[in-house]
Amino acid sequence: DAKTTQPPSMDCAEGRAANLPCNHSTISGNEYVYWYRQIHSQGPQYIIHGLKNNETNEMASLIITEDRKSSTLILPHATLRDTAVYYCIAKGMTTDSWGKLQFGAGTQVVVTP
Amino acid sequence: DADVTQTPRNRITKTGKRIMLECSQTKGHDRMYWYRQDPGLGLRLIYYSFDVKDINKGEISDGYSVSRQAQAKFSLSLESAIPNQTALYFCATQRAGGPGNEQFFGPGTRLTVL
Repeated sequence: DAKTTQPPSMDCAEGRAANLPCNHSTISGNEYVYWYRQIHSQGPQYIIHGLKNNETNEMASLIITEDRKSSTLILPHATLRDTAVYYCIAKGMTTDSWGKLQFGAGTQVVVTP
Repeated sequence: DADVTQTPRNRITKTGKRIMLECSQTKGHDRMYWYRQDPGLGLRLIYYSFDVKDINKGEISDGYSVSRQAQAKFSLSLESAIPNQTALYFCATQRAGGPGNEQFFGPGTRLTVL
């Protein structure tokens, strides 16, 4: 699985968009990009995933560059409840491997009033 | 009721004791996982099970064992607990079928080994 690199922390003002970068320069063609978040020692929560195309759901948008070497998670209108550690994970898609997520240190996002 | 439950939520024990952490799920998922998290770090995979008859070691299985008693239950045991096993432990479930299936995590068990 490709190594991912994220900034250790970032701040965001409440109501503004939060743009969380992730570098995965060694990603291979069959590796998906997943985002999870963990709010204050709770169990992680799935946010979104993608392969090549940009994706959007009720929580966030995922923008993947054309060369797939980096991606950005966008929280369109950050709230205080979005304060969490956000994990970007690149995962290969063999049947055996796709469930075995490898979490790095993630990005601590603090949303301020 | 929560879909993925873990018991106990907190446990303090002494070095050398045997400890069992339990995970139950009502989601009907085939796949279950045990992770541990140390302060300031991400989660690391201990063991995983793709169905009742399938058990696999993860990244850090030494010192741990597991039992998949039923589709809904997956237990993690520390045969002889040591202080560096002090951590936050999470169970997760996942529906089989494809890479888009998210993992659902339990609330965690905070284990302290003195």
